[in-house]
Amino acid sequence: NAGVTQTPKFQVLKTGQSMTLQCAQDMNHEYMSWYRQDPGMGLRLIHYSVGAGITDQGEVPNGYNVSRSTTEDFPLRLLSAAPSQTSVYFCASRLTGEYGSPLHFGNGTRLTVT
Amino acid sequence: GDSVTQMEGPVTLSEEAFLTINCTYTATGYPSLFWYVQYPGEGLQLLLKATKADDKGSNKGFEATYRKETTSFHLEKGSVQVSDSAVYFCALNTGANSKLTFGKGITLSVRP
Repeated sequence: NAGVTQTPKFQVLKTGQSMTLQCAQDMNHEYMSWYRQDPGMGLRLIHYSVGAGITDQGEVPNGYNVSRSTTEDFPLRLLSAAPSQTSVYFCASRLTGEYGSPLHFGNGTRLTVT
Repeated sequence: GDSVTQMEGPVTLSEEAFLTINCTYTATGYPSLFWYVQYPGEGLQLLLKATKADDKGSNKGFEATYRKETTSFHLEKGSVQVSDSAVYFCALNTGANSKLTFGKGITLSVRP
């Protein structure tokens, strides 16, 4: 019963490098999303998707790209990392069409950009 | 837009103390309300939820009642344990396909 799986758990990048944070879920959830968590800021929504082929921006989308080619996967791409992107990143998914359906979270990726 | 306001933290309590964490909200429409908990080094887990006015969500000794008249969803527990030390987030969403809006979270530390 894997739920939401994020890889890697930890990553260190140099400024300007690119990388992809992976997220996969095995619950057949249509809705998937990416949040970043920073001290004193709570959780901020980066991008989300309500189904394969559909993505939209959240509160803080700049510097991040996403795509959704399958129901299961929702990768987050940093094209040119900046120190301001040092954060803990969480992927989360939920059923749509069901009122009160909760989000299921992965265990996070801790990213440091030097 | 939708918003969630949580009381300022952190909160430190002794074991077996009574806990209240305040949460109020502003929402267009009729929201579902949630409490999530985050233990150190982990992702968020759903603690409890309520989907209509006067509903009480409960889990692991925690309770919260959906109060439409005061737009509140305060979290309570009668006797906290050291293992309850975590960050607690209040959240809402206003439709079957809508995003969740989170409060800033509050850190609870319970000392033996």
